[in-house]
Amino acid sequence: QSVLTQPPSVSAAPGQKVTISCSGSSSNIGNNYVSWYQQLPGTAPKLLIYENNRRPSGIPDRFSGSKSGTSATLGITGLQTGDEADYYCGTWDSSLSAGVFGGGTKLTVL
Amino acid sequence: EVQLLESGGGLIQPGGSLRLSCEASGFTFSSYAMSWVRQAPGKGLEWVSVISGSGDITYYADSMKGRLTFSRDNSKNTLYLQMNSLRAEDTAVYYCAKGHLLGGFDIWGQGTMVTVSS
Repeated sequence: QSVLTQPPSVSAAPGQKVTISCSGSSSNIGNNYVSWYQQLPGTAPKLLIYENNRRPSGIPDRFSGSKSGTSATLGITGLQTGDEADYYCGTWDSSLSAGVFGGGTKLTVL
Repeated sequence: EVQLLESGGGLIQPGGSLRLSCEASGFTFSSYAMSWVRQAPGKGLEWVSVISGSGDITYYADSMKGRLTFSRDNSKNTLYLQMNSLRAEDTAVYYCAKGHLLGGFDIWGQGTMVTVSS
C-alpha cells in the first residue's frame, strides 16, 4: 500500500492529452515538493518534473506538473506511442522522515 | 558526462549480507545528497535511503531500518549500501540516484539486481 495514490492505468489516443493524479496528505504533498518520473520498459526511471512544475532541460513542454493542496497532477499533451511507460510521483514525507512514491500509473497510448 | 554506476548485486541466501556500491562521475559529488531506490520484480519504485552530501545525516525506509547502513566516501566519489539480514522480500533492482526526493532525482544509475533466495 503506497503512501501516495495514483491510478493504476490511464489510456488515450495518439495526439490527445492525459492527466495522471497523485494524492497524498499534508505530511507529504501538502508541504513538500513533488517530482514525477517516467520509466520505459527495462530502463531506469527518468526525471520529468521536479519542484511540482519545473522541467529539467531536455524534457519537452508536452509534459507539465501542478500541485493543489494534497494532490499533484502530471499532464502530457500531444501523446506519442513513445510515451507508453510507467509514471511515478514522489515526495518527502515529513512525518515519516522518509521518501515516498506513488504506486505507479501505466500509460497506454491506443 | 554525469554518470552513476552501481555494482555489488547478486544472489544471496536469506539472512546473508551484501554491500552495494555506486560510483559517481561528472559532477561535484560531495555537494549533493544521494539516495537509493529499489524496485521488486514487476512492482513499483520504493524509496530506500538518503544520505547528505557530507555523509553525516541518513534516513532509512522503515522496511529496511536496522538492517541497512548507507555511507559515502567523498574522496572516491562512491556510495556504499551495506545490507544485512536479507530477506526474500528484499529481492529487487537497486538504483542509486543523485539528489533527494525534495528536489527530484535527476540522475539514476542503471541498477544492480539483488536476489535473496536459497
